[in-house]
Amino acid sequence: DIQMTQSPSSLSASVGDRVTITCRASQSISSFLNWYRQKPGKAPELLIYAASSLYSGVPSRFSGSGSGTDFTLTISSLQPEDFATYYCQQSYTTPPITFGQGTRLDIK
Amino acid sequence: QLQVQESGSGLVKPSQTLSLTCTVSGGSISSGGYSWNWIRQPPGKGLEWIGYSYHIGTTSYSPSLKSRVTISLDTSKNQFSLRLSSVTAADTAVYYCARGTSYQLLPYMDVWGKGTTVTVSS
Repeated sequence: DIQMTQSPSSLSASVGDRVTITCRASQSISSFLNWYRQKPGKAPELLIYAASSLYSGVPSRFSGSGSGTDFTLTISSLQPEDFATYYCQQSYTTPPITFGQGTRLDIK
Repeated sequence: QLQVQESGSGLVKPSQTLSLTCTVSGGSISSGGYSWNWIRQPPGKGLEWIGYSYHIGTTSYSPSLKSRVTISLDTSKNQFSLRLSSVTAADTAVYYCARGTSYQLLPYMDVWGKGTTVTVSS
């Protein structure tokens, strides 16, 4: 199985801050990488697909980059609704589809 | 706009079979090019993909669950279902259904249900 490792596992930030979350794959996955946001008690929501494509309706403050084994999700200016848990997910080699362990973003 | 919604028993006894249904509205489950997925999340933990099925009958399951899982589609009801046999407390989780699609052959899951909580307990 391809292992996905996110860093950091948690971080604290303030509204308006720029935040970057990193996801590393245990082997090359090309651009088969997606990002999701999960608000407390809610279902995950797709933010970024194919490593860098912004999903329809997602604010432009979200961006994704990377290919191969190293990927980043950047939020350019944190909004109150962005305090949530973020997951990366690979679909290069399946089964199984695998997720990172999650990055919890809290208000400082 | 397509929506999916999970339903089923919230309490299952150990060793029994968990059965959930995902109802699709605003679109047809028979539409080509989409996978119909189940994902779960144990309390306080991360996301675990269970498996998917395509309308043509192709299925794929997580190796860790493959011996106990069946995902099937009912096109007449526009639903797909999950059956997980021989459950234990470790199967207690929120279960999500989701549609999978792709962009230039790069897959992703774009529509998710709200989730349903399943507890395994006697």
